[in-house]
Order: sequence, then structure tokens, then C-alpha cells
Amino acid sequence: GDKVKQSPSALSLQEGTNSALRCNFSIAATTVQWFLQNPRGSLINLFYLVPGTKENGRLKSAFDSKESYSTLHIRDAQLEDSGTYFCAAEAPGTGSNRLTFGKGTKFSLIP
Amino acid sequence: EAAVTQSPRNKVTVTGGNVTLSCRQTNSHNYMYWYRQDTGHGLRLIHYSYGAGNLQIGDVPDGYKATRTTQEDFFLLLELASPSQTSLYFCASSDAWNYAEQFFGPGTRLTVL
Repeated sequence: GDKVKQSPSALSLQEGTNSALRCNFSIAATTVQWFLQNPRGSLINLFYLVPGTKENGRLKSAFDSKESYSTLHIRDAQLEDSGTYFCAAEAPGTGSNRLTFGKGTKFSLIP
Repeated sequence: EAAVTQSPRNKVTVTGGNVTLSCRQTNSHNYMYWYRQDTGHGLRLIHYSYGAGNLQIGDVPDGYKATRTTQEDFFLLLELASPSQTSLYFCASSDAWNYAEQFFGPGTRLTVL
């Protein structure tokens, strides 16, 4: 099965609403990164997390290594938030900061 | 923040062709990585390196070679390209072997006809 499971796979919301994306890990993740892949295909770093939480503007992310999950909350969604969100986990024993990626959440905004 | 650049940004070749994708990072990171991204998948690791002359095998290495010529430069080689290698390729770098954020280049879209 997938080592990193993202949910939902797709999300379509109106502007101004709030949303939550989730990643569940079946590997012993030690760190988590969240990325936004914009419509041009570029990967934008959003968060790098050890267990705990971080906040940046309208985005907030949490990582609980004991319960093996991470969340990304988007507040007051705007058109520029559109794209595909990926989480990626680093796990010990995989060697050399290797990341295992989820399959992504495709996020669309309805004007 | 690491600066990672890739060239070319787009490439079309034919089956059996020889392709080299280039990656350069300018933040003195030790680790560099090549990933591919396909529809329905996240990114999957092809090869990585922890310094000039070093090469490590990733999760999907078949059909790919790589070479790290300097700390800055990491190349991905497809010597006999096949249509199954049509994909979006990303290079990344990080400055440590664990607990280190990875930074990605803009990607190279490769089409093998």
C-alpha cells in the first residue's frame, strides 16, 4: 500500500472558505514537507516540519509523528492557492534525506 | 534559500535517442536528487548523490544513469530513451543527509515519441 496517503485526492471550494488537507503515514516519518505545485508545474516549498506546528499567513500545518499524520489548513482560500498540494515524509533508515511523496490533493477554487 | 536550475525546460526526443538533463544548484548543498513525476503519482526518486563523484540508486533507477561532476552539477542520462520515460523531471538539493529541507528546480518536461 501507499506509504504516504493524502486525502482528499481533490477538493473544489469557493473563494473565502477554509479547508483541511491530510497525510497519513505508514512509515515512521521524522520530518514532513508540504509543497504546492502551481499550474505552471513548479514546486513551491510551503512548510518543513519536525513534530509540531507552523503557520505562515493563511496557511497552518501540523505534524504528529506519534499518530503518524500531518495536516495543512488553508484559511480564506484565494485563487492563487489553486494547484496540487503534496506532502512528503522523511523516514529513518531510508538513507540520505530521501523523501516519500503522497499522490497529491488537487485544489480548485470556484470564483 | 537554495537556487536550483534545470535545463532544458522542455525536450522532445525519439525512441532510442540519447538525452541528458542538467541540474545546477548554487547554495553549496551536498545532496542532490533526481525525481520523476507522472500522472497519478507523486514524485519518485530516480538517483541521488552526496557529493562530486558519488551516485546512489533511488526507487525507480531502471533506464537511467546519473553523474555528479561537481558539488553544483548533477546530470541525468537516458541513453536509450523509451516512451515510458516521458515524464516531468525534477532536480532537488539539500544541505545535509537527514533533517534537511529539500529545494526543487523548475522541472524539465521530457517527451519520448
